[in-house]
This record gives sequence, C-alpha cells and structure tokens, in this order.
Amino acid sequence: EAGVAQSPRYKIIEKRQSVAFWCNPISGHATLYWYQQILGQGPKLLIQFQNNGVVDDSQLPKDRFSAERLKGVDSTLKIQPAKLEDSAVYLCASSATLGERDSYEQYFGPGTRLTVT
Amino acid sequence: DAKTTQPPSMDCAEGRAANLPCNHSTISGNEYVYWYRQIHSQGPQYIIHGLKNNETNEMASLIITEDRKSSTLILPHATLRDTAVYYCIVRVPNDYKLSFGAGTTVTVRA
Repeated sequence: EAGVAQSPRYKIIEKRQSVAFWCNPISGHATLYWYQQILGQGPKLLIQFQNNGVVDDSQLPKDRFSAERLKGVDSTLKIQPAKLEDSAVYLCASSATLGERDSYEQYFGPGTRLTVT
Repeated sequence: DAKTTQPPSMDCAEGRAANLPCNHSTISGNEYVYWYRQIHSQGPQYIIHGLKNNETNEMASLIITEDRKSSTLILPHATLRDTAVYYCIVRVPNDYKLSFGAGTTVTVRA
C-alpha cells in the first residue's frame, strides 16, 4: 500500500512570497489533515477535511493560509504572504472513515520543510 | 482532551527494554491512550492504542494502570532504529484530532 505523498520536500522562500504544498493521501482515505510542526514542538493541526468538506479549521490562520481538497482526494495548502514565523515542517496525514478498520490511525507523509528568509 | 505529561528525554541501551511513562491524570472514561513516534525527518507513525486493558502488537506493549491515570509504553528490545520522539496522546474515538505535546526524545545507544 502506497503511503501519503507530499511535495515538495523542501522549499525556501523570502518573506511576503507565496508557497503551495501538495498532498496525495492513501487511496480510499476519506479524511485528510494538515499539520504544522515548528522545530522542537509536536505537530499542530491546521485543518481537517472529510472528503472535500472542512471539518475543523479553527487553528488555520485564515488571513494568510488556505487549503482545498476539491475532488475529495488530493489537497493543496497555500501560504500567501509568508512570514518568518511560518518556517516549519508541514505534514499531511490521512485516515479512513470512522467505523472502518484502522479508522483511528492517522498515516503521515514525510512533510515539507519550509524555510522563510 | 485530557493533557499528558511525559519526560522530555531518556536514554536506552540497545537490546534492552525501553519503558516510556506517560501521566494523564485527567483522562475521562471514554478517552483512549494513543502512542505515536516520529523518527528524524519523517512524519509521526502510529504505534499502539488502548482504553483500559493492556495491549500488545508487533511494535510495542501498552500498560495502562487500573485507575487509568498513567500508562507505560514498552519497547521490548530497543534497537538503534527506535531512536525517535515518542508522543503519548489521549482522545475520544469519534474525535479525529490528535493533540501532540512535546513528547519524549528517546535515544537508543549501542
């Protein structure tokens, strides 16, 4: 079974520029998550999708961050404009629908390391 | 979600058992205990979860105290590849959210 794919793996941009990250979840997984992990901290949930609908985006800085999952499969997270404090690893994860086997387990991708200079 | 307390770091000798403690004194009756780990430059990886009975799988064992206020993750024969940050998380089953703390950095030494 293929895992969660993310690209790019690394990105360096200047502040005030924009950047986009892409995630392809495990096939058949209805739920997709984006996390932000600042160096030395645990991941923090930014947004959660169930199919193509947003379940929780309470921690997403909506003035500069946006995310979409138009067809209920791939997802894109965008930052515009970037700030220095956005330097972090952005992790994508997916899980099956509640009630199905392994539904409580989230599978994470390798992450995208963003450096804002 | 109940909060958890873990030691910031611990060392373990290769081939020995690693016992990782976690305190969750405010856990509620329907909250499960989950363990994830994160190897350097990788995303977190699910290890095991349990409600009140002890659990074992191919990776680890989870021992939950009878009052459920603390638990221990046991890696029975630690290897160098087990060096990682280990996160203890409590959550209700129908809440997908995983609230990660700082975790315990485990270093397995040869």
